[in-house]
Parts: sequence; structure tokens; C-alpha cells
Amino acid sequence: TQLLEQSPQFLSIQEGENLTVYCNSSSVFSSLQWYRQEPGEGPVLLVTVVTGGEVKKLKRLTFQFGDARKDSSLHITAAQPGDTGLYLCAGAKNNAGNMLTFGGGTRLMVKP
Amino acid sequence: ETGVTQTPRHLVMGMTNKKSLKCEQHLGHNAMYWYKQSAKKPLELMFVYNFKEQTENNSVPSRFSPECPNSSHLFLHLHTLQPEDSALYLCASSPPRGAGDTQYFGPGTRLTVL
Repeated sequence: TQLLEQSPQFLSIQEGENLTVYCNSSSVFSSLQWYRQEPGEGPVLLVTVVTGGEVKKLKRLTFQFGDARKDSSLHITAAQPGDTGLYLCAGAKNNAGNMLTFGGGTRLMVKP
Repeated sequence: ETGVTQTPRHLVMGMTNKKSLKCEQHLGHNAMYWYKQSAKKPLELMFVYNFKEQTENNSVPSRFSPECPNSSHLFLHLHTLQPEDSALYLCASSPPRGAGDTQYFGPGTRLTVL
């Protein structure tokens, strides 16, 4: 059973479309990170959200942390082929030392 | 370039071979991690080292043996592996707890066990 559930698992869209990826849990996290991983590479951090209700923007990407710090979303506006990759959310807990709990990932393909 | 390097990038080995994976971080971090990533499963934490001391062993089979000689280097010694151990092995490092929780990943070693 995944502590962090990501949906959808797979997403294939056309260039220019918008999309939202969700990361849900029944647990409360002290912070949550989003990573993007390209084929043959390791995950690269996109953003960290810490405060409940927090919204962060990174160009066309908008990240939101739920008010109760149990869930998060990633919204991409006008997706580009360069956005293709595996998107991972990862949560940190105050009682888990420096360990992160990773979601199962959302594999995004943006077709030109 | 994340400041975490891994060698080799690709490794093919037989079930009777012994090999080692190497990870080095240039970020001044004190925590280092080994993860396994396979096609059918999400990222699986294998080992955690804090200040060179192993603080987590996530029920990993003994055919995987980690070594952390100092805070900048981490090894994963492999012996008598099985074909199902074929995966991408990722190393990560992070600052001490309380400094942001972010983990920085290396590019991984793609391991194939024949």
C-alpha cells in the first residue's frame, strides 16, 4: 500500500494542453517535494512546499500544498514536449528523521 | 549537474560476479542514501547513512552490502545477485535534518544481472 498515491499514473497529451497531477495521502507531512526524472537520469528537485495552503509557481508549473498538508497538486499550463518525464512527489515527516516517502510517480508524455 | 556523481553509469554482471557501485557528493551533506528504482515499482529506499553511520536498512537482502567510509562517499557492494535485482540504483544526499529535507540525486547506475 502506497503511503503517497499519485494520479494519474500515466498521461499522454498534446503540446499546448493543460494538466494536473495529484499526490494524496491520509498522513500529514511536514513538507512535500516534487521531482522530475528524465530517462536515464536521477530525479531533479522542482519545488518544496512547507506551509499548508502554500502555492508556488515555477514558470508554467504551479504547485499547491493542501491546507491539511496531506496532499499536493502540480498543474502544468500549455505543456511542452520538454515537460515529458516522470513526476514524483515525496513527503517528509517530523518523526521520520531525514527519510522521504515517495509516491509511485506520474509518467507524462507531451506530444508535439 | 546536481553535485552527486555515480559510477559506473551502466553495469552488466553475471550472478556469480562481485561488483561495486560508487557514489560521491560534493555538496557538504552529511546524509547519503541508496535507492532502487525498477520499472514495476516506485522508488524503494534501501539504506540511509547519517554522519557515516547506517541509520536505516530497509530489509535489504545481504547480497547488497553498503559502505560509507566518509560523509562524501558511499558504496554499494554487490555479490551473488539475481536477475530480479536488475534496476536503476540511485544515490542521494541531503543536508542535516532541519535544513530543508531536500534530497539531491545522482544520475544512477543502470544494473543488468544476467
